[in-house]
Amino acid sequence: QKEVEQNSGPLSVPEGAIASLNCTYSDRGSQSFFWYRQYSGKSPELIMSIYSNGDKEDGRFTAQLNKASQYVSLLIRDSQPSDSATYLCAVRGEGGGADGLTFGKGTHLIIQP
Amino acid sequence: GAVVSQHPSRVICKSGTSVKIECRSLDFQATTMFWYRQFPKKSLMLMATSNEGSKATYEQGVEKDKFLINHASLTLSTLTVTSAHPEDSSFYICTTGLPYNEQFFGPGTRLTVL
Repeated sequence: QKEVEQNSGPLSVPEGAIASLNCTYSDRGSQSFFWYRQYSGKSPELIMSIYSNGDKEDGRFTAQLNKASQYVSLLIRDSQPSDSATYLCAVRGEGGGADGLTFGKGTHLIIQP
Repeated sequence: GAVVSQHPSRVICKSGTSVKIECRSLDFQATTMFWYRQFPKKSLMLMATSNEGSKATYEQGVEKDKFLINHASLTLSTLTVTSAHPEDSSFYICTTGLPYNEQFFGPGTRLTVL
């Protein structure tokens, strides 16, 4: 059974600092990796997708993937109070867009003003 | 990203009734959509894959006779919770599938069964 593990937190980070979120996955055949942000009572919002080893940057967000270690992370630079949310790591196998996602339980991030 | 709508956003019903949730793709034609469920303070769990013009594919442990999925057009997938019970109370969310590689979530439907 595919598993995605995240530290549930809460992770508390001062405003302006870098928030680092981590995720490990069990299925070595996983090909696609996603980070979603979910505010309380709302549906998840896609932040980043990453498909190959290395770093991918988009604004203040950087996703990092290491398939050998089965590890994916998300860095948030210059953290803002509005970044306070639950961050969900999601993984998908070889089926591409035809397959659903396996989600971790999420990390609750708190940005302290 | 793709735009997905859901209706209703919130529904409260009595135990034993059936509830239909609609998921619409507003700016693309969806050959595949996905339905997820999220219990309070839990993560999202994939329930089923909705395929336009064919039967849905259900995940292990999801009762296909209880959660009826219909994907009769390229812009509409529906999930019907039949004979709902309090344990079915949850947040139900649909997402895009093909032709997109990434999944964009609809706003979700919060179901409360009394």
